Amino acid sequence: AQKVTQAQTEISVVEKEDVTLDCVYETRDTTYYLFWYKQPPSGELVFLIRRNSFDEQNEISGRYSWNFQKSTSSFNFTITASQVVDSAVYFCALSEPYTGNQFYFGTGTSLTVIP
Amino acid sequence: GAVVSQHPSRVICKSGTSVKIECRSLDFQATTMFWYRQFPKQSLMLMATSNEGSKATYEQGVEKDKFLINHASLTLSTLTVTSAHPEDSSFYICSATRPGQGDNTEAFFGQGTRLTVV
Repeated sequence: AQKVTQAQTEISVVEKEDVTLDCVYETRDTTYYLFWYKQPPSGELVFLIRRNSFDEQNEISGRYSWNFQKSTSSFNFTITASQVVDSAVYFCALSEPYTGNQFYFGTGTSLTVIP
Repeated sequence: GAVVSQHPSRVICKSGTSVKIECRSLDFQATTMFWYRQFPKQSLMLMATSNEGSKATYEQGVEKDKFLINHASLTLSTLTVTSAHPEDSSFYICSATRPGQGDNTEAFFGQGTRLTVV
């Protein structure tokens, strides 16, 4: 069963628009970590955020914000005032410490910001 | 901060040859490293878990005789694609977990290796 679901395959927005990338996860562990990574065309994974399961506080970092809702098993990512440089594939991922810290990645959302 | 270095970043090889990819943790010891594969426009899928001093654990559907993993030291894991075929062309990326307690346990990814088999 898919542990991380990113229902949006591709999204296009016009520059300066806000955009939210959805992520829904599935786990039976009470302790787990959630991540968002950005993957530009070069392929390297750029770490954006890590959240542990006990910290439901939403987080804001510049134009980026994350909404963690355990009740709905969601960890959504919002980019405010999008820029062309935000164009990339974004992956949501789940890590479960008690299964060795391997990552379960979602299928990714390809974001295109149109100037 | 901690860094995981992966080499080479790109490699083109002829069909039938073998290619070795290295993954190094530069400033910490990693008893466990993971190897992922990403086909174009797809997600990253775990191939195997590399354990220092013991055999790697392979995911279902991954041929262990084709993808040889060696984790000979606490800072180095290698993935060798043997007798490569064009269908092995993919993006391979490793990760290493820095041991810690509780929230201090962190995973770091290498830069990835884009393999093209011609």
